[in-house]
Amino acid sequence: DTGVSQDPRHKITKRGQNVTFRCDPISEHNRLYWYRQTLGQGPEFLTYFQNEAQLEKSRLLSDRFSAERPKGSFSTLEIQRTEQGDSAMYLCASSAPGGPQSNEQFFGPGTRLTVL
Amino acid sequence: GENVEQHPSTLSVQEGDSAVIKCTYSDSASNYFPWYKQELGKRPQLIIDIRSNVGEKKDQRIAVTLNKTAKHFSLHITETQPEDSAVYFCAPRGFNKFYFGSGTKLNVKP
Repeated sequence: DTGVSQDPRHKITKRGQNVTFRCDPISEHNRLYWYRQTLGQGPEFLTYFQNEAQLEKSRLLSDRFSAERPKGSFSTLEIQRTEQGDSAMYLCASSAPGGPQSNEQFFGPGTRLTVL
Repeated sequence: GENVEQHPSTLSVQEGDSAVIKCTYSDSASNYFPWYKQELGKRPQLIIDIRSNVGEKKDQRIAVTLNKTAKHFSLHITETQPEDSAVYFCAPRGFNKFYFGSGTKLNVKP
C-alpha cells in the first residue's frame, strides 16, 4: 500500500493519560498536515509541516498537543493529559512538493481516539 | 482565521436530478478551492478542485464554479446516482492551511 498510513487505527485511553499517534505520508510527499474531525463536522486544521519544519500551528491547539516530523518523513502527534473533549478522529494528510499537484491532499485512514 | 460556510447542510434529491452545494469564504488571499467527498467511516477524498485564475472546471458529471469577487464557489453534480450519497466538504486554502466547511450531507434517493 503506497498511500498515507496511520497507526494506531483506534485508541482508547483514560483521562489524564498521554497518547501518541503516527503518520507515514506518501514517500515523495514533503507536505504533511494533521486534522481533527468530530462527528458531523469537517476536519479542523491542527498543524502543517513542510519537510521537517513545522510552519503552521492552529491557535486553537492547546499546549497539550505537540507534533514532530524529525526527518521530514513520518510524523507523530502527541496529546498530553488527555481530556474527554479530545475524543475525535485524528486525520493525517500529505501532498507533493511544488507545481499544481502539490495542492491535492491525500488523507490517511485516521486514528480514532476515545478518552474515557 | 478563515470563515467558511456551506449550504445547504443536508440535501435530498431523486436519482437523476442535479445537486448544487455552495461554499462561501472570507479570506481574499485564498487561491485554491477543492471539494472533498467523505463516505461514512472513510477518509475524505478529493473529487474536484479549481484555482483562482479559472472560473469553472468540469469533470464528467461534476463541476465547480468560482466567483472570487463574491468569495464563493459551488459544487455541481448532474445525473445524480445513489453512490453519490455522502458528505461533501469544501476546503478553501489559506496560507499554509486548509479550512474545511462543516459539510453537506447529500442523499440520493433511488
